[in-house]
Amino acid sequence: AQSVTQPDIHITVSEGASLELRCNYSYGATPYLFWYVQSPGQGLQLLLKYFSGDTLVQGIKGFEAEFKRSQSSFNLRKPSVHWSDAAEYFCAVGVQTGANNLFFGTGTRLTVIP
Amino acid sequence: GAGVSQSPSNKVTEKGKDVELRCDPISGHTALYWYRQSLGQGLEFLIYFQGNSAPDKSGLPSDRFSAERTGGSVSTLTIQRTQQEDSAVYLCASSLVQAETQYFGPGTRLLVL
Repeated sequence: AQSVTQPDIHITVSEGASLELRCNYSYGATPYLFWYVQSPGQGLQLLLKYFSGDTLVQGIKGFEAEFKRSQSSFNLRKPSVHWSDAAEYFCAVGVQTGANNLFFGTGTRLTVIP
Repeated sequence: GAGVSQSPSNKVTEKGKDVELRCDPISGHTALYWYRQSLGQGLEFLIYFQGNSAPDKSGLPSDRFSAERTGGSVSTLTIQRTQQEDSAVYLCASSLVQAETQYFGPGTRLLVL
């Protein structure tokens, strides 16, 4: 069965520091992978996605993620965090059959301190 | 419109009442999805539509939940005889076609007292 694990419930970083949010997935085929961000009281905004091809994908707001098949991981990175990046981040795997729905991790809440 | 819209943005209801939640997808998107985001459960998939058809309703948590989509556009999620455990944020997403990127609306926050 499909599943997504985000092992870090809450991460605190200083503004300007680098960031890595971890995501591991379980899926029997080549996955579609996504990172979404949710600010308080808002819906989900797509940061980036991986469908195929280059395993390092670039997204909006300076984020990138790397698909590592051998580790079943899709970690999100940003070299220098801004205060406005404080939000909740969700990793998701897209099912390629049936409903093609998304399975989400439980999210990682990012706090940015000045 | 530019994005997915949902209404109402907030809904407070009494236990046992029926509620209707509306989703207006991005124009031209054929696939529409409903998810629920609740404390302790994370984001869970409820149902999807391809056009006006919902081939798989197994994600709906109980028979009190139903959904329809008309004209290949607007969708309504109905919860009958609401219970306190139905309190959650209900998110709608649409995609151009199935297996494409899903774009989410702002959600409806439902509180059942």
